[in-house]
Amino acid sequence: AQSVAQPEDQVNVAEGNPLTVKCTYSVSGNPYLFWYVQYPNRGLQFLLKYITGDNLVKGSYGFEAEFNKSQTSFHLKKPSALVSDSALYFCAVGYGQNFVFGPGTRLSVLP
Amino acid sequence: NAGVTQTPKFQVLKTGQSMTLQCAQDMNHEYMSWYRQDPGMGLRLIHYSVGAGITDQGEVPNGYNVSRSTTEDFPLRLLSAAPSQTSVYFCASRTPPGLGLKQYFGPGTRLTVL
Repeated sequence: AQSVAQPEDQVNVAEGNPLTVKCTYSVSGNPYLFWYVQYPNRGLQFLLKYITGDNLVKGSYGFEAEFNKSQTSFHLKKPSALVSDSALYFCAVGYGQNFVFGPGTRLSVLP
Repeated sequence: NAGVTQTPKFQVLKTGQSMTLQCAQDMNHEYMSWYRQDPGMGLRLIHYSVGAGITDQGEVPNGYNVSRSTTEDFPLRLLSAAPSQTSVYFCASRTPPGLGLKQYFGPGTRLTVL
């Protein structure tokens, strides 16, 4: 069965420091990989996706993600965190007609 | 364009009541879906549709019905509400795989069943 894991419920980082939010997946074939962000009382917003090509994908708001096929991972990164990056982050895998979402990681950026 | 819209934003029901959550999109997407979001569980797919007149079940379909009479609208019906259906519901539409499978989400409906 297809699954997505986000091993950390919560990630805390100081403003200005680099951040990483981890994601691993289990899916057959070549999946589409996504990161979404959710701010309080809002729907999910698309950050970036990987389909094929360069393993380092750049997205919105300075975020990037690195696809690692051997480790089946797709970690989200940002070189310098902002307080406004504090939100809930979801990794997702698209396959066939559907998506599978991870449980989410709450990112808190401390001033 | 407005993207994906959902109504109502909030709803409180008593056990056994029925209601319909409305969803509409103006991007001419064939694929639409309904998710529920519960703490620590991410989003789980309830039902989806790949075009007008075509619907299918997702991961957690029990207690919910859908129909798709037009490309724009994809309502979700709760037949007999239960406390286990207390959740936040998101409607989404997306582009086809050839256009990147990009999903667009509505703002959500927060449902409480007493």
